[in-house]
Amino acid sequence: GNSVTQMEGPVTLSEEAFLTINCTYTATGYPSLFWYVQYPGEGLQLLLKATKADDKGSNKGFEATYRKETTSFHLEKGSVQVSDSAVYFCALSWTGANSKLTFGKGITLSVRP
Amino acid sequence: EADIYQTPRYLVIGTGKKITLECSQTMGHDKMYWYQQDPGMELHLIHYSYGVNSTEKGDLSSESTVSRIRTEHFPLTLESARPSHTSQYLCASSDPITGNEQFFGPGTRLTVL
Repeated sequence: GNSVTQMEGPVTLSEEAFLTINCTYTATGYPSLFWYVQYPGEGLQLLLKATKADDKGSNKGFEATYRKETTSFHLEKGSVQVSDSAVYFCALSWTGANSKLTFGKGITLSVRP
Repeated sequence: EADIYQTPRYLVIGTGKKITLECSQTMGHDKMYWYQQDPGMELHLIHYSYGVNSTEKGDLSSESTVSRIRTEHFPLTLESARPSHTSQYLCASSDPITGNEQFFGPGTRLTVL
């Protein structure tokens, strides 16, 4: 079946540090891939997505590239800010009327001033 | 802007009480979901619906029930709350036409004493 694996957390960085959060998936074929972010006390919101191999999703300085060779969708940001402190979820889904999202376990990022 | 609402945001209630968590969306989405989020932040799908009069159990067994009488409304009910039901409950909706991106409400933090 489908699964998403995220690196173990939590992650603590200093402001302006480089961020990489690893995400790999197991699926037959080419699903759509997503990164969601959950700020403290809020629901999840879509950060970025990619729907086919080699696509790059980007938003708010975050980027992730759909790599089918390595079945990965790692999240990166060149310079993190304190306001980026949140929980980050990688997820996959198939197009079609009956598809659901499969989420990774999430990882907590804390950014120190 | 996606609009999905959950009420109440916070609920503290005694054991044995019946509760209903409300979820409404104004986007006309057919698909709706309920997730339970544990303290480690992992998300567990407990119910979903593909449209009016459609409800399905999710990946995690739950004593809660749901109904879908109107497209925009997807309430979750616990007939007799117990301390083990203490959790964060997140509602979401999606439209397969837009690639199954899910839009989340702000969540309800339930505490059962």
